[in-house]
Formats: sequence, structure tokens, C-alpha cells
Amino acid sequence: QSALTQPPSASGSPGQSVAISCTGTSSDVGGYDFVSWYQHHPGKAPKLMIYEVNKRPSGVPDRFSGSKSGNTASLTVSGLQTEDEADYYCSSYAGNKREVFGGGTKLTVL
Amino acid sequence: EVQLVESGGDLVQPGGSLRLSCAASGFTYKEYWMSWARQAPGKGLQWVANINKDGSEEYYVDSVEGRFTISRDNAKNSLYLQMNSLRAEDTAVYYCVKYGSKWSQFDSWGQGTVVIVSS
Repeated sequence: QSALTQPPSASGSPGQSVAISCTGTSSDVGGYDFVSWYQHHPGKAPKLMIYEVNKRPSGVPDRFSGSKSGNTASLTVSGLQTEDEADYYCSSYAGNKREVFGGGTKLTVL
Repeated sequence: EVQLVESGGDLVQPGGSLRLSCAASGFTYKEYWMSWARQAPGKGLQWVANINKDGSEEYYVDSVEGRFTISRDNAKNSLYLQMNSLRAEDTAVYYCVKYGSKWSQFDSWGQGTVVIVSS
């Protein structure tokens, strides 16, 4: 049950695109198409942005997209806006009805 | 609108016990798996425990197995986390989380309740 690996930080200027990676193993990310991404503004409740690798809940802008290749999933934020500045976490089903989160990435909009 | 409201967080001594509660509303509670997750100071999110729709199945992260118990009362639309033998490393904000229809689809979160384990 080791945490998924995310870069501690990422940044981009308004209007640019940024990608955040989430690396696991064949027992979690690579083994299932159940990868999700959450946006977390400190002091607030985390918000689901992507589920099942690349599906967006209603209300999430299509600037947010997800993908997966092998044991690594990615969240791409296009057309960066200042309100996108937050912490982002990935999660993956890890089998046996258990879940695992990534360590989180702080996204800064320069 | 889905609402999840946690309560019960407190300052507790190492070795002590605490029971967290979560009041759910805005959805048919008995039809969804539920979870607890936590965030230690300066750390990332960590999944803690899952419970199935009728409360007959429970699953835990290794670090809390045997010390924490997740339970639910579908008549009261409530979720609980009984925490025993608390350690300093259990200090965290604890979140009540609702599953969607798929694994790892945590579609609604509470605001969290703070647990501090310290002497």
C-alpha cells in the first residue's frame, strides 16, 4: 500500500498547459482503469475532477483531461487560469477493495 | 445537494480512543459505499477505510488495521470511525467520503474534522 508517486510541484503561466504525472505499479494504476484526480484548495473539501482515467464529472471544465499509459497516469490542465492554483491528488483502485492516493502536487499559476 | 458533515475530532493522548461521526444528506445513503480518508499535517491524502452498502464488509489501510473500525447506520444516514490505540502519526484531518458508482470515484467529501494525538 505505498503511495502513488507525484511530482511535488508544477507550474505554468495563465493560458498555458501543464501535465501532472502519477506513477504506480501494475497492482494499482497499471492494473485497473480506476484512476481519479482531485483538486484541493487548502481548508476546503477536495473536489473530484477526473474518474475512470479520463471521465469528467458534470460541471468540471473540459480544460481538465486525464490519460494513462502503463503504470503512469496523467492529468493535463489546458488554458491555465488563476483559480486552478491548488493541490492535486491522484488516486487508484489497488485491488481487494482498497484504494491508494498519490502524494500530491502543488500547482502554481505564475 | 450532497452534504457530509464530520464531527468528533479532538485532542487525545497517545493510546487513547476517539469516535468520529459523519452525517450524510442529499442522496440515498444506503445505496453507496463510503470511506474515510485523512491528511496529516504537511502530507498528502491517505485512504483509511471502506465500508460497503449494508455495512457487512470493511477494508482498511495496513497502518490502522486492528485499531480502527468503520461502521454505518443506514437508518440514521450516518458513518462512523472508531479509533483505538491512537498514535501520534494518526494526527490528521479526517474526511468522510462518498463513493460514486466506480472504484476510486470519491465524488463527495466533507469539510473534515481534526484529530490531534499528543500528550
